[in-house]
Amino acid sequence: GAGVSQSPSNKVTEKGKDVELRCDPISGHTALYWYRQRLGQGLEFLIYFQGNSAPDKSGLPSDRFSAERTGESVSTLTIQRTQQEDSAVYLCASSSRQGDTGELFFGEGSRLTVL
Amino acid sequence: GESVGLHLPTLSVQEGDNSIINCAYSNSASDYFIWYKQESGKGPQFIIDIRSNMDKRQGQRVTVLLNKTVKHLSLQIAATQPGDSAVYFCAANSIYDPGYALNFGKGTSLLVTP
Repeated sequence: GAGVSQSPSNKVTEKGKDVELRCDPISGHTALYWYRQRLGQGLEFLIYFQGNSAPDKSGLPSDRFSAERTGESVSTLTIQRTQQEDSAVYLCASSSRQGDTGELFFGEGSRLTVL
Repeated sequence: GESVGLHLPTLSVQEGDNSIINCAYSNSASDYFIWYKQESGKGPQFIIDIRSNMDKRQGQRVTVLLNKTVKHLSLQIAATQPGDSAVYFCAANSIYDPGYALNFGKGTSLLVTP
């Protein structure tokens, strides 16, 4: 597609349930990032994928969070045993840059509400 | 990690006036800086970027100024329009950030009044 696509756009779940959030990056973008944005806050880096390299998971807040990426395409962010503090907008971004700084292109996010 | 913050959480300007949004960063290794605009319910959208070898860059109605000496960044919007109302984030990164992941501040909410 023309831009980064995320689904679902909204997800309401009960505490303790697992959720999966999906990201389709811009075609040809090798770099993919997940960020979390709590209400009224900035974006927190979670995880980074580059091509077929091992992901950098240094931003994941706990072992309940995990993410996968198939080659240079779709990525899923999984949150196990969700807690109310996980409520946030989860943003995915992709970039065509390799080993250089540059613009990240963001999707519109998946808003997660944990009751 | 980077600490990137905005000086003011909210800014209200009248339509037609110029807006200035300020940002400070803490990591002297930061070498790339970018401003994003985020409208309600949407993802951040690129406005303008600047590399550390520059101190000024101009776009359409926007100018970014970088002062590396005091680790300060500003975004100037000329002739502010109602459509400029949004939250503005500055972000920075360096070669030390995973994949050059951007470090974001909390944002400044810009409200343009008619």
